[in-house]
Parts: sequence; structure tokens; C-alpha cells
Amino acid sequence: EAQVTQNPRYLITVTGKKLTVTCSQNMNHEYMSWYRQDPGLGLRQIYYSMNVEVTDKGDVPEGYKVSRKEKRNFPLILESPSPNQTSLYFCASSHFQGFEQFFGPGTRLTVL
Amino acid sequence: DQQVKQNSPSLSVQEGRISILNCDYTNSMFDYFLWYKKYPAEGPTFLISISSIKDKNEDGRFTVFLNKSAKHLSLHIVPSQPGDSAVYFCAARGPSYTGNQFYFGTGTSLTVIP
Repeated sequence: EAQVTQNPRYLITVTGKKLTVTCSQNMNHEYMSWYRQDPGLGLRQIYYSMNVEVTDKGDVPEGYKVSRKEKRNFPLILESPSPNQTSLYFCASSHFQGFEQFFGPGTRLTVL
Repeated sequence: DQQVKQNSPSLSVQEGRISILNCDYTNSMFDYFLWYKKYPAEGPTFLISISSIKDKNEDGRFTVFLNKSAKHLSLHIVPSQPGDSAVYFCAARGPSYTGNQFYFGTGTSLTVIP
């Protein structure tokens, strides 16, 4: 089954404790992206990657890191999480250029 | 600053009638527009798209209209069905010099009343 998987689905952590949210896709997509969804702000793009070893900042990259060492994986790293990073996070993938993205089920992160 | 805006947070429509969801954008360099549908506790799913060189694209019950001069697009659902009840996001792809960055609206929650 074609899908984008994210882990964990739910996470409660404390300020400053480094965490990684994993994202994996099995569709051989070149384009992968991370978004956060907040009430009243919709979906905002954090980072995206056009292919392996190629990453670019989206609209709200501050406080986040990403890496793309393999085509299928695109982890999101929060080196020192803060409460303002409490949000619902979505990973997405698509063929080149990002059209018609397939989204994962979301990761709900709470930073205390 | 929100470059893609959905000014109606919610919309209620009777089953069988037309649903019209609206979206406005500010950047005339956007070259591709998409609509996504989202159910609770799930990720968004792609619905329909339109290139900036077209003014209409149709797929079954769903039609997207693009008015570039007004920087406005709309999604028409005819006829509306209860299963269409979801949050709808409008999205736009940024100009080529920004790479392949996407901008989403805040969403419109559609309720189709049986």
C-alpha cells in the first residue's frame, strides 16, 4: 500500500529535550516536505527536499532541522524544543516539483 | 503575512446543493493551485488542481475556477454529499525563484447536511 508513515503519532516532551520525528514514504517520491498545522494559521511549510541531499527552508524553518540521506526518509529534528513548537506536524511526499502531495497521518507534539 | 487566504472558516450546505469554497491569494507569481480535503485525525488528501495558465479544471463533482485578475480561486462541489463534510485547504506553489515552496490557506470547514 502506497503510504507516508510518521512516528511517533503523539509525543509529549519538555523544553530543551532533543527529539526526532521520522517520516518515510514507499512511493519512490523525489519531493518530501514537513508542515505544521496551528489553529487560525492553517498549514505552514517548515522544510522541503527536492531529492537526496537537497533541502530548502519553507515558511517557518526556525528551530527545526532536517536531513535527506535516503530517498524514502525525511526526519524532522527539534534540537531544543520550545512550547511554541507545540503543534500538529505533517510529512508529505510527491513526485518531482511537489504537486499532489501525499500526506502522512500527522504527529501531535506537545512541548511543556 | 498570509499569502493564501480562506476568509470563510465554515460553510453549511444542504445535501444535493452546490458548495462553493473560496480562496484569495496575494502573489501574482504563484503558478499552480491545489485543493486538499482533510478529515479529523487524518492527513490532508489531494482533491484537484489547476495551473495558472488555465481558468477551469473539472474532475467529476469537483470544479476549480481560477480568476487571475482577481487573484481568486474557488472550488465548486455539485452535488454536495454528506461524505464531503471535511476541512478544505487551498494551496499555491510559490514562484520558481523560491524553489518548490507551497503556501496553504487556513482552511474552510464544510458541513453537508443530509
